[in-house]
Amino acid sequence: LAKTTQPISMDSYEGQEVNITCSHNNIATNDYITWYQQFPSQGPRFIIQGYKTKVTNEVASLFIPADRKSSTLSLPRVSLSDTAVYYCLVARGYQKVTFGTGTKLQVIP
Amino acid sequence: DADVTQTPRNRITKTGKRIMLECSQTKGHDRMYWYRQDPGLGLRLIYYSFDVKDINKGEISDGYSVSRQAQAKFSLSLESAIPNQTALYFCATSGRDTVEETQYFGPGTRLLVL
Repeated sequence: LAKTTQPISMDSYEGQEVNITCSHNNIATNDYITWYQQFPSQGPRFIIQGYKTKVTNEVASLFIPADRKSSTLSLPRVSLSDTAVYYCLVARGYQKVTFGTGTKLQVIP
Repeated sequence: DADVTQTPRNRITKTGKRIMLECSQTKGHDRMYWYRQDPGLGLRLIYYSFDVKDINKGEISDGYSVSRQAQAKFSLSLESAIPNQTALYFCATSGRDTVEETQYFGPGTRLLVL
């Protein structure tokens, strides 16, 4: 399994764009990159997934450079309700995945 | 996600007691997982099952056992609970219909071992 490294915590003011970068230097050819969001006392929730280039959905964007050794989750115009822990995972099908400690995002009014 | 349910939601027990946490899913997924989360830490995988006849240990299986009674049910047992098993426990599912192992989590069971 590819190991991921992401910042332990980040602060942002409401209305700003937040970018959380995840490093995964030993990502394998068949690995996908998946981000989850977890609110206190709740299970993680899938946000976005990608393989290369850029993926966008109604919640976030995911940027993946050509070498795929890192990825950036972008949250546009965050609000207080975006305060959560964000996990970056790298895995392929039929594998167990490993959740690290994630990035704790605190949105400040 | 209401498609993945866990019972009980909260449980207090005493050291040495046997306790079972149950997970049910209506998503039709073949893969199920049990995780624990301690305050300030990420999720750690206890056991996982890729189908009814497949059970695998995760990172921290010592002190735990599981049973996959059916495709939709996956139970976690603490044979003799100890205080350091106090944690938040999550069940999750994934399946062939999900893109590259996207997991769907239950609401969690908060366990306190006295």
